[in-house]
Amino acid sequence: QLQLQESGPGLVKPSETLSLTCTVSGASISSANYHWGWIRQPPEKGLEWIGTIYYSGSTYYNPSLKSRVTVSIDTSKNQFSLKLTSVTAADTAVYYCARQIIMIRGDSIFNWFDPWGEGTLVTVSS
Amino acid sequence: QSVLTQPPSISAAPGQKVTISCSGSSSNIGNNYVSWYQQLPGTAPKLLIYDNNKRPSGIPDRFSGSKSGTSATLGITGLQTGDEADYYCETWDSSLSFYVFGTGTKVTVL
Repeated sequence: QLQLQESGPGLVKPSETLSLTCTVSGASISSANYHWGWIRQPPEKGLEWIGTIYYSGSTYYNPSLKSRVTVSIDTSKNQFSLKLTSVTAADTAVYYCARQIIMIRGDSIFNWFDPWGEGTLVTVSS
Repeated sequence: QSVLTQPPSISAAPGQKVTISCSGSSSNIGNNYVSWYQQLPGTAPKLLIYDNNKRPSGIPDRFSGSKSGTSATLGITGLQTGDEADYYCETWDSSLSFYVFGTGTKVTVL
């Protein structure tokens, strides 16, 4: 059974870099069938896609975060990671990792996130 | 502010049917496929519907999805107290080039 687990510091100071890792178990992160994504949810707010990576290293980022985000993959450890630089209080959120299925049919894109990790709360505060 | 608009809240009695709308545009729902997620209190989102109307294994047929033009709809029949949750739609926006979630709808069972 595929499972994902986020890990990393729960508290980050303003202007510093948020770093999280997602460990995948029950499936190979090197599978050509899947992408791997990060999504966040500020307290009492909705979901926001951060970025997605393919096993080859190809990445796709939310344009609003692109200048501060790096998603990387380590196939030897079956993990992928998120780095978000120059954080502010607005980056306080629960951060989720998820497997993402992406397919293209003609001009249309299929995609969905399944399963998700349990999420980890990251607070930005001095 | 999300480009996919959902009603903030919906409430109904047990056993009733509810429908949750997700309104977008031709650059997102109009030309791409929609998925829906259920987020029970204090938990991670869970996939309910993909490809507009398909249910993953284990999701009861009380949940259904549909799409028409630039809007999508999630239906829940035979409402149960365990269905109290936040529900989100999601799709790709071709113009903005990112995956977008709806604003979310809180379902309350009276």
